[in-house]
Amino acid sequence: QQQVKQSPQSLIVQKGGISIINCAYENTAFDYFPWYQQFPGKGPALLIAIRPDVSEKKEGRFTISFNKSAKQFSLHIMDSQPGDSATYFCAASFSGSARQLTFGSGTQLTVLP
Amino acid sequence: GAVVSQHPSRVICKSGTSVKIECRSLDFQATTMFWYRQFPKQSLMLMATSNEGSKATYEQGVEKDKFLINHASLTLSTLTVTSAHPEDSSFYICSARALRGGSDTQYFGPGTRLTVL
Repeated sequence: QQQVKQSPQSLIVQKGGISIINCAYENTAFDYFPWYQQFPGKGPALLIAIRPDVSEKKEGRFTISFNKSAKQFSLHIMDSQPGDSATYFCAASFSGSARQLTFGSGTQLTVLP
Repeated sequence: GAVVSQHPSRVICKSGTSVKIECRSLDFQATTMFWYRQFPKQSLMLMATSNEGSKATYEQGVEKDKFLINHASLTLSTLTVTSAHPEDSSFYICSARALRGGSDTQYFGPGTRLTVL
């Protein structure tokens, strides 16, 4: 029930293309869904987050799409750049757990120049 | 965004010694901090939840006597790996929970690379 399943494990995209990473969850108590970006040897950095009362949130080139009925959410990176090459983690939390994050397994994104 | 620091960024120690890692929230107070462990090309594994002024809550399988956590103030939590062994070599990352402006977000430190010889 606590799992968050993330796919694909790795993704290669051409510069300027769209990168799409998907996550699915089981626990309906989750009410906060952040995405983190991690570069090698660094800690994760919050990229964008969404709550289930909206179906989409956009910040710059990054968009989260949320489907509450399907219990799925995805990250779209528009106009992908080589500098976006990193590992991306989706996560989920709920208020009753001190906001502990349950992480997906991660997606290694490579954007080719 | 909020800033979380960790010190040291890298540490190499001999087997059997203890290592202390500090996690600080620089521009906000954090009643809750979290400690994670990450192996190469894997996701973050939550080790424990640290609440200011109280004992840490450890995840199943994490030895509380080996990984000592102290959250003495609203801006500082420490993780001490006692009697470290090579299998403890990993990337340790802390995060701090920021409650401000109506948001409730975890901000991560830069991580500490521990190598036990």
